[in-house]
Parts: sequence; C-alpha cells; structure tokens
Amino acid sequence: DTEVTQTPKHLVMGMTNKKSLKCEQHMGHRAMYWYKQKAKKPPELMFVYSYEKLSINESVPSRFSPECPNSSLLNLHLHALQPEDSALYLCASSQDQNGYTFGSGTRLTVV
Amino acid sequence: SQQGEEDPQALSIQEGENATMNCSYKTSINNLQWYRQNSGRGLVHLILIRSNEREKHSGRLRVTLDTSKKSSSLLITASRAADTASYFCATVLYSNYQLIWGAGTKLIIKP
Repeated sequence: DTEVTQTPKHLVMGMTNKKSLKCEQHMGHRAMYWYKQKAKKPPELMFVYSYEKLSINESVPSRFSPECPNSSLLNLHLHALQPEDSALYLCASSQDQNGYTFGSGTRLTVV
Repeated sequence: SQQGEEDPQALSIQEGENATMNCSYKTSINNLQWYRQNSGRGLVHLILIRSNEREKHSGRLRVTLDTSKKSSSLLITASRAADTASYFCATVLYSNYQLIWGAGTKLIIKP
C-alpha cells in the first residue's frame, strides 16, 4: 500500500459544528503532516507529527486540534470554524527527506 | 512557509510542445522536489534532485539544479493534454523535514 487515504473527500459544516478529518497510511512512514491550501496558492504547513508526537505547530488557531492515535492514523478535529477556514486540507506522510506522499485532500466548506 | 518564486505563474502551450518552469529559492537546501497537482486535489511527487546533483531525468521530465544561482527548472517534453495541472517546486532544508514551497506554475496544454 503506497497511498495516503483521506476522508471525507468533501465536507460542509456550520460554524457551530464539530467535525473530524481523517488520514491513514500503511507505508510505515514516521512523519505525518497536515497542510491547508487555498485556491491558487501553495500548501501551508499546519502540523507535523514525528513518531506519533507533535513536533511542529505552525501557530494554528486552537479551533484546529490534531491527534495521532497511532503510527498509521492522523486526525484533525475541527470546532467553531470560520468561513475563511474553507480550504483544501491535505495530509501527507514521509519516512525521510526524500519522499512525501500526499492524500487527495478534504475539500472543506464552512457556512 | 514559502521560500521562493516560480515562473511563469501561468503557461499555455500547444500539445506536443515543450514546457519549462523555473523555481528559485533562498537558502541552502538538502534537496529540491517537484510536485504536480490536478484541479485542486492531492499533490503527486514527480522527481527529486539532491543538492550535489545538477541534472536528472525521469521519462519526459528533466530537472536541473543550479545551487550557485539557487534555482531549478523543470522541463516537460512532448507535452500532452493530461499534463495540464499546477506544478510546484519544494525545497527541503538540512535541518528539518519541512517542505518549503514555491508559488506554483499553472500549466495548460491546448489540444
């Protein structure tokens, strides 16, 4: 299995909702990442987990809460989001600096 | 975080022609990677070139790296309609595993 699987593919949520994005990889990669991407822009790094521990938090608002239950799973819990948080959320994994595998993303719309 | 620039921002060519995209970066790097993104979906890793390499080929792709000018180019030969996508360069520093992204080039191949 050489894929990163993200669910759901699309999500529409209200500003008072709580939802979660899920990411799964079975390549044994030691690092997993959450990125946010707005239209026509490069991805912006949000969080990095290394060996299941949060190693980088790029000053992301607390309404985004990451969780790494085990080495294969990465979640992003969403609560009280704003319309400007609407974006494509990408998960990625890597074993070293030479190859990063991205999921297909979750297209999030906050209404 | 975004390290450098890509040019052109957009490129439209006829099918069969060659497409060249350029990427510049600011700091010393471990390697530079090129990714393709179709219609706002996940990023696909295309090719990696290490800081001690000057040129690399993969199928119809040719990547060059000039560390003295802190720049790289991606050449796609004999372009096809399926090559229509956004292309991003990303650098990896020696100090960490973060990808530092260029702004991206939107490539359109006209049939």
